[in-house]
Amino acid sequence: IAGITQAPTSQILAAGRRMTLRCTQDMRHNAMYWYRQDLGLGLRLIHYSNTAGTTGKGEVPDGYSVSRANTDDFPLTLASAVPSQTSVYFCASSAAVTSGRAFTDTQYFGPGTRLTVL
Amino acid sequence: AQKVTQAQTEISVVEKEDVTLDCVYETRDTTYYLFWYKQPPSGELVFLIRRNSFDEQNEISGRYSWNFQKSTSSFNFTITASQVVDSAVYFCALSDPQGAQKLVFGQGTRLTINP
Repeated sequence: IAGITQAPTSQILAAGRRMTLRCTQDMRHNAMYWYRQDLGLGLRLIHYSNTAGTTGKGEVPDGYSVSRANTDDFPLTLASAVPSQTSVYFCASSAAVTSGRAFTDTQYFGPGTRLTVL
Repeated sequence: AQKVTQAQTEISVVEKEDVTLDCVYETRDTTYYLFWYKQPPSGELVFLIRRNSFDEQNEISGRYSWNFQKSTSSFNFTITASQVVDSAVYFCALSDPQGAQKLVFGQGTRLTINP
C-alpha cells in the first residue's frame, strides 16, 4: 500500500543520546516535512524539504537536523536529545508539482513516532 | 504572520446531534489554502478537505460540510447527524506564503460523540 512509513513507532531515549527518526515515502512526492505534536499546541513544523537536495527550517528547528539525499527518504536527527523534545513526531509529504509560490498542495502524514526523552 | 485559531478546545455531544467546529485564520496574503485534518484515537492524521481562497462555495461530503467565509476569515466544519466514529481531534490549517508548501496548524478541537 502506497504511503509514508516512519520508524520507530515509539522510543524511550536517555537525555544526551543521539537519535534518528526515519521517514520513507513511496509516492514520489517532491516535498517532505517533519512536525512535532504537543498537547494544546497542535502541530508545529520542524524542518521541510521542497525537493531532494534542499531543506529549510520551520517554526521549531533548534536541536534538530534533516537531510534529503533522495526523493523517498527524509530522516530527522536529534544530535543530543533533551526532555523538551519528548513529543509525537509526524512526517508528511506532498506532491508539490508546481513552483508557484501561491499554490499549496495537500500534505499526507505518516503514522507518527512517539518519542520520550528521560 | 499566519495564525489559525480553533477556540473550541473540547466539544462533547450526543450521537445524532449536529456539531460545528470553528476555525478562524489570519493572513495578509490574497491567495492561500485552508485544510481540515482528522486525528482519530489511533493517532494518524487523515486529510479531509483543501480549499483555496478564490473558492467560497460551501462544500458537502456526506455528513460533512464546510463553510468558508472570507469576510470573517473563517472556515468552519459541520458534522450532521454525528456518529461515535466521528470522535477525534480535528485540526484546521492554513498555507504559509513564506514557504509555498508549508502549513500552519490550529491547536485542534477534541470532539467526543457520546452514544
